[in-house]
Amino acid sequence: AQSVTQLGSHVSVSEGALVLLRCNYSSSVPPYLFWYVQYPNQGLQLLLKYTSAATLVKGINGFEAEFKKSETSFHLTKPSAHMSDAAEYFCAVSIDSWGKLQFGAGTQVVVTP
Amino acid sequence: EPEVTQTPSHQVTQMGQEVILRCVPISNHLYFYWYRQILGQKVEFLVSFYNNEISEKSEIFDDQFSVERPDGSNFTLKIRSTKLEDSAMYFCASNSNTGELFFGEGSRLTVL
Repeated sequence: AQSVTQLGSHVSVSEGALVLLRCNYSSSVPPYLFWYVQYPNQGLQLLLKYTSAATLVKGINGFEAEFKKSETSFHLTKPSAHMSDAAEYFCAVSIDSWGKLQFGAGTQVVVTP
Repeated sequence: EPEVTQTPSHQVTQMGQEVILRCVPISNHLYFYWYRQILGQKVEFLVSFYNNEISEKSEIFDDQFSVERPDGSNFTLKIRSTKLEDSAMYFCASNSNTGELFFGEGSRLTVL
């Protein structure tokens, strides 16, 4: 079975500061890994995905994530936070291209001026 | 850009009533899913559907739940007799076997 753990349910960052959201996964087979963002009262939007190609994955809105097999991690970063980045971010894992996603508990990001 | 659409966006119902949530997946997608998110909690997998049958379901997806693809475009989730704890946001998703799930905006169900 696969699972993900997101460290920190709430993160507060200053506008312009680095955003770092941590995700560690557990999987018995090479995983597919995803980061989704959920803005208030909206659905889930894919930020980026790792599917065994490049370990550094670039996504939308300036976000990127690095797959580190040795650390079983897939942390999400953005060099400079914008006010519009305030949202909830979910890390998710799947073991195949058609299977279900297992989501982490989510990290709420607050951006302060 | 193609998208997954869900209706209704919000439904309020009395406990014990039947509810049907509707979804129109992206047209060339083959795999369909329902997830739910209870307020303040993580997004949970309910069921996946492929080739006109359930391919996997979670322990949440008990006999009160059913899914159907009645006409080749719609994908519905039925809750036969709603309970208070069914109050949640329900998300439909579809996938063309790339591993990327496309989610709808969600249907908020409130059971009174």
